[in-house]
Amino acid sequence: NAGVTQTPKFRILKIGQSMTLQCAQDMNHNYMYWYRQDPGMGLKLIYYSVGAGITDKGEVPNGYNVSRSTTEDFPLRLELAAPSQTSVYFCASSLGVTGELFFGEGSRLTVL
Amino acid sequence: GENVEQHPSTLSVQEGDSAVIKCTYSDSASNYFPWYKQELGKRPQLIIDIRSNVGEKKDQRIAVTLNKTAKHFSLHITETQPEDSAVYFCAASESNYQLIWGAGTKLIIKP
Repeated sequence: NAGVTQTPKFRILKIGQSMTLQCAQDMNHNYMYWYRQDPGMGLKLIYYSVGAGITDKGEVPNGYNVSRSTTEDFPLRLELAAPSQTSVYFCASSLGVTGELFFGEGSRLTVL
Repeated sequence: GENVEQHPSTLSVQEGDSAVIKCTYSDSASNYFPWYKQELGKRPQLIIDIRSNVGEKKDQRIAVTLNKTAKHFSLHITETQPEDSAVYFCAASESNYQLIWGAGTKLIIKP
């Protein structure tokens, strides 16, 4: 199993550009999450999904959108990038509502 | 909503000594409390977790204790080793799929 795979690992965007962070898992997990981690801080939940076709907002959803058309994939869309979105983004999945989160390697995004 | 505070932000201990990291939470409905370890530039990984129906859980050199009345939980690492150096995060969760994370503790093991 590859676990949780995120792409790209690094990206530099200009203010106002848009992009999609890709996330895929091969563990047949229903629950998937997108977090952002700012330097020296904990993780903030952006969006989560409890299954294909179902998504919901987390703590910090503004400026982002997600979709979940399949169990495996959970892309995160950044519209009109702003410097405040400079962060490391982690995708994660879990088998149950509570229990171990399996994280991807992270995507480091810089908005200039 | 839930709020999680974690202390200290940095902890430096001598190799072989014990380390204790503490977290407090605000929502008495929270029922799941994991601890994650994040090495520099790596992804967070679960090291231990505890549910609200248990007061203590141990796994080799790592233990977690939970005091529901006081709404705090702690991570204990005994006989610390250089590979324990990392940032440790606590988190708390109700049943609504959202983990609320502490800000992290940087643990430094001095040789």
